Amino acid sequence: DTAVSQTPKYLVTQMGNDKSIKCEQNLGHDTMYWYKQDSKKFLKIMFSYNNKELIINETVPNRFSPKSPDKAHLNLHINSLELGDSAVYFCASSIQTETYEQYFGPGTRLTVT
Amino acid sequence: KNEVEQSPQNLTAQEGEFITINCSYSVGISALHWLQQHPGGGIVSLFMLSSGKKKHGRLIATINIQEKHSSLHITASHPRDSAVYICAVEAGSGGSNYKLTFGKGTLLTVNP
Repeated sequence: DTAVSQTPKYLVTQMGNDKSIKCEQNLGHDTMYWYKQDSKKFLKIMFSYNNKELIINETVPNRFSPKSPDKAHLNLHINSLELGDSAVYFCASSIQTETYEQYFGPGTRLTVT
Repeated sequence: KNEVEQSPQNLTAQEGEFITINCSYSVGISALHWLQQHPGGGIVSLFMLSSGKKKHGRLIATINIQEKHSSLHITASHPRDSAVYICAVEAGSGGSNYKLTFGKGTLLTVNP
């Protein structure tokens, strides 16, 4: 069983569209994250949720809206996609927010044309 | 200047060599993570440490909190160790808002 799963794995769409990426973890963790890896492979945190509550919103444009319907799921909805949104998006989870190992999903490669 | 600096950026080694990747950071942290990103893109956590030294198989990670420095060592390197190794520091201002700040990664290539 995959610990942290993301769908879709690849997403190609046009500028201006709205798209969603889904993330699910079956580890029983309380904390989930979204990270963005840019074209230079640099990772940066976007959001973190703890027990469905938004903890970190790292100056991400408000076109990005995370939603956590329950502790096992954290989805990312992106409105009005722009070329600069092209990246690989990783979901991750951990038991709690501090000093715990994080488990990463396989990533979603988003290409905006 | 990035809060987390890794060196070298690229490293090529021959199979069997001892590898060292360094990570320096400039902020107070609660923990430091070493991650491995495979050529296929998946990210795996190798170590999380807040003091001293940890060892898993051929991998060893050390941290010196006073000097704000960590090293990742690979003994008897193998071509399957070829990957990007990423250092990330964990810090927060209290409560639950701890977050990882990442280095730019070290691309390791081990030739047979």
